[in-house]
Amino acid sequence: DQQVKQNSPSLSVQEGRISILNCDYTNSMFDYFLWYKKYPAEGPTFLISISSIKDKNEDGRFTVFLNKSAKHLSLHIVPSQPGDSAVYFCAASSLAGNQFYFGTGTSLTVIP
Amino acid sequence: DAGVTQSPTHLIKTRGQQVTLRCSPISGHKSVSWYQQVLGQGPQFIFQYYEKEERGRGNFPDRFSARQFPNYSSELNVNALLLGDSALYLCASSGPGQTNSPLHFGNGTRLTVT
Repeated sequence: DQQVKQNSPSLSVQEGRISILNCDYTNSMFDYFLWYKKYPAEGPTFLISISSIKDKNEDGRFTVFLNKSAKHLSLHIVPSQPGDSAVYFCAASSLAGNQFYFGTGTSLTVIP
Repeated sequence: DAGVTQSPTHLIKTRGQQVTLRCSPISGHKSVSWYQQVLGQGPQFIFQYYEKEERGRGNFPDRFSARQFPNYSSELNVNALLLGDSALYLCASSGPGQTNSPLHFGNGTRLTVT
């Protein structure tokens, strides 16, 4: 049973525009969320996190939004750069939990 | 500072064999987790170790085992390999506590079972 879902396998965006990656979850106990970027032949790289006491967290070009009532989070990348082209995973856990549940990933292509 | 290091990077084994994968966490991190990633899927949780004790186990058979050493490094063992065990095995460390901090992954060990 997939508790974290990324329903868009791929996304293409022009350089300089906004990239929006979406993630849905089903478990209401989840209260800590992460986004990762993964290049081929490398492990996932941590980007940004958010806990359920917030609805927004920013770090440079990356902003994560959390809508707890909809069980939905999104990652905004502004402005998008060609180096952002990678697979993005969202992950969720309960704060007291010992494991993260990952989505299946969205492949982002930023077109120069 | 060194990140999470895993060895070997690639491994080819035959069905029925046993394999040991190794991981060194980021300095100061006491928690090590293991994840399996198959093509087209997100990482799946296998184990978490904190202060040398198993703190969580995912839905994997008993053929999978792990341990954490006093220096917080860790090994993942898989016995009686099956073709379906072919995957990227990722080690992640986090800290300083057991929870409430992001996972930092190594580059993984690519295991191929023939």
